Amino acid sequence: EAGVTQFPSHSVIEKGQTVTLRCDPISGHDNLYWYRRVMGKEIKFLLHFVKESKQDESGMPNNRFLAERTGGTYSTLKVQPAELEDSGVYFCASSRGQGASTEAFFGQGTRLTVV
Amino acid sequence: ILNVEQSPQSLHVQEGDSTNFTCSFPSSNFYALHWYRWETAKSPEALFVMTLNGDEKKKGRISATLNTKEGYSYLYIKGSQPEDSATYLCAFGGFYKLSFGAGTTVTVRA
Repeated sequence: EAGVTQFPSHSVIEKGQTVTLRCDPISGHDNLYWYRRVMGKEIKFLLHFVKESKQDESGMPNNRFLAERTGGTYSTLKVQPAELEDSGVYFCASSRGQGASTEAFFGQGTRLTVV
Repeated sequence: ILNVEQSPQSLHVQEGDSTNFTCSFPSSNFYALHWYRWETAKSPEALFVMTLNGDEKKKGRISATLNTKEGYSYLYIKGSQPEDSATYLCAFGGFYKLSFGAGTTVTVRA
């Protein structure tokens, strides 16, 4: 079974540019999550999809971030325009069900550097 | 906002020695605690999901205990090996999202 895959693995962009991150969850996993780790700090929740619907986007920093999951399969996270403080590692995770003890499977992350 | 704390932030251990570190979390409204092992540029790998007070889980040389009444969990590494070098993350499981601590980075010296 293929794991969660993210693309690209690294991205370096200039302030003001646009970047789109992609996540392919494990097949059959309805739940998809985006998280972000800023240097040296904890991984923080950004948002949660169930199929194509956004269940909770309370962690999205501001309206420069837009996540989509058309068709309930892969998801994209667009940052437009990027700012320096957006640098960090963006993780995607997926799970078959919901619940506190449900295991979430993570991708390897996209390391975003805004210069 | 859930406050999940991990200590120490980093530690060095000699190959062959054992070590342990702590995750503390809110003791009220406890649902589950997750431990992950993360090497940079790789996917965080799930180690344990713990739900019951007094729970103890083991995977090879790594084990974890859980005290939900006082709000802490310990992760133990017995006989550390260089391949154990990684950042160990704990996460408090809410209904559908995880609240992570900042991690403990373990470096095993040969």
